[in-house]
Amino acid sequence: SQQGEEDPQALSIQEGENATMNCSYKTSINNLQWYRQNSGRGLVHLILIRSNEREKHSGRLRVTLDTSKKSSSLLITASRAADTASYFCATESNTDKLIFGTGTRLQVFP
Amino acid sequence: EPEVTQTPSHQVTQMGQEVILRCVPISNHLYFYWYRQILGQKVEFLVSFYNNEISEKSEIFDDQFSVERPDGSNFTLKIRSTKLEDSAMYFCASTRPRSLTYGYTFGSGTRLTVV
Repeated sequence: SQQGEEDPQALSIQEGENATMNCSYKTSINNLQWYRQNSGRGLVHLILIRSNEREKHSGRLRVTLDTSKKSSSLLITASRAADTASYFCATESNTDKLIFGTGTRLQVFP
Repeated sequence: EPEVTQTPSHQVTQMGQEVILRCVPISNHLYFYWYRQILGQKVEFLVSFYNNEISEKSEIFDDQFSVERPDGSNFTLKIRSTKLEDSAMYFCASTRPRSLTYGYTFGSGTRLTVV
C-alpha cells in the first residue's frame, strides 16, 4: 500500500489562480514535507511541517496538516507559469527514510 | 547554497554490466540516501546510510545493489549486474540529523538506461 497518495493527479490553471494539492498518508509521522520536481530534474525541498504543527507558510506556499485525518494540503497562491512542475508530498516517520506520494502534475498557463 | 552533486548525469549500459553511480553529499550532513524514479512513476526509497553503515533498505535494494562511502566526501551506489528494469533516474540525497527542520537535499540525478 502507498504511504502517500495525492490528488488531483493533474491540475491545470491560469496564471494568477490558486492551486491546491492534497496528500493522504497511512501511518503516524514525525513530519511531512513537500517537494517540487521540474520535468526530468531533481527534487527541490519546499516546506516541512512537523506533526505538532497545523499550518505553515513560506512565501506563496501554505501547507496544512491534519494528523487526525492523516492528510495535508499545499496551496500555491497567485500561481505563475514558472510554478509548472510536479509536486510531491513525503512523510518521515521513526525510520531513516522519506516516503513519497504519487505526485500532482501542475500546469500553469500564462 | 550547498548542493548534492551527482555524476554522471546520464549513463547507458548493457544488461549484465556493473555500474557505479557517484554522489557528493553536503559536507556537514550525516545521513545519505539513494532513491530511484522510473519514468513517470513515484520516487522510491532504496537505501539510507549513516555512520558508515546501511541503516535501512527497501525490498528493491537486493544483493545486486551496494553502497559505499569510500572517503570523506563520496557516496556511491553500485549495481553489480544491471537488468532492463533498473532503467530509472537515481537520486542521491543527504540531510542533517533527523531533518526535523531542514528537509532533504537531493542531487539532480543520474539517468540510467540499460539496453
